[in-house]
Amino acid sequence: QKEVEQNSGPLSVPEGAIASLNCTYSDRVSQSFFWYRQYSGKSPELIMSIYSNGDKEDGRFTAQLNKASQYVSLLIRDSQPSDSATYLCAVNTGTASKLTFGTGTRLQVTL
Amino acid sequence: GAGVSQSPSNKVTEKGKDVELRCDPISGHTALYWYRQSLGQGLEFLIYFQGNSAPDKSGLPSDRFSAERTGGSVSTLTIQRTQQEDSAVYLCASSLSHYGYTFGSGTRLTVV
Repeated sequence: QKEVEQNSGPLSVPEGAIASLNCTYSDRVSQSFFWYRQYSGKSPELIMSIYSNGDKEDGRFTAQLNKASQYVSLLIRDSQPSDSATYLCAVNTGTASKLTFGTGTRLQVTL
Repeated sequence: GAGVSQSPSNKVTEKGKDVELRCDPISGHTALYWYRQSLGQGLEFLIYFQGNSAPDKSGLPSDRFSAERTGGSVSTLTIQRTQQEDSAVYLCASSLSHYGYTFGSGTRLTVV
């Protein structure tokens, strides 16, 4: 079992819709959770972090964490074509602040 | 500096040659990480520095790979006797405590 799992996609949503990206992790002691956006040919960019159960909102982005279910998600409201990218879930698995990344979900926002 | 700086941005080398990749982290960031990303693949952890020491080097794929960090700042990743399977984008990141990483723009290594 992979430590951090994501559906590779592509996830296709129409412009203006809500995109829902999901991630599960295996290590129950994980404490910190991050979402990165990676455009093709570019390096990952941090967009959200979440540390406690519940929702965290930042503009059009909402991160949701459920530690009991070992599940973290990212919602993107009013999706725009510029949101088309690969979204990487990352989890702190205990060694200092080392992050383990999922393989990413490719999001396509269609006109 | 304002961001994480990596050099060179692109490197083409012949199989069997040694290469050095450089990373200059954000000023004041004590933690520095090296990852690599092969085409269409996820990020593979290589090594983590806290200050000048490397408490976790578990991701280095073979003894051909080594890294050092000096002055708590610049880090160099060295790959000796490069092989074609070493071709990838090598990403450096730095962080302050547990607030997530900031990545550099990467070095694209091509071994021919």
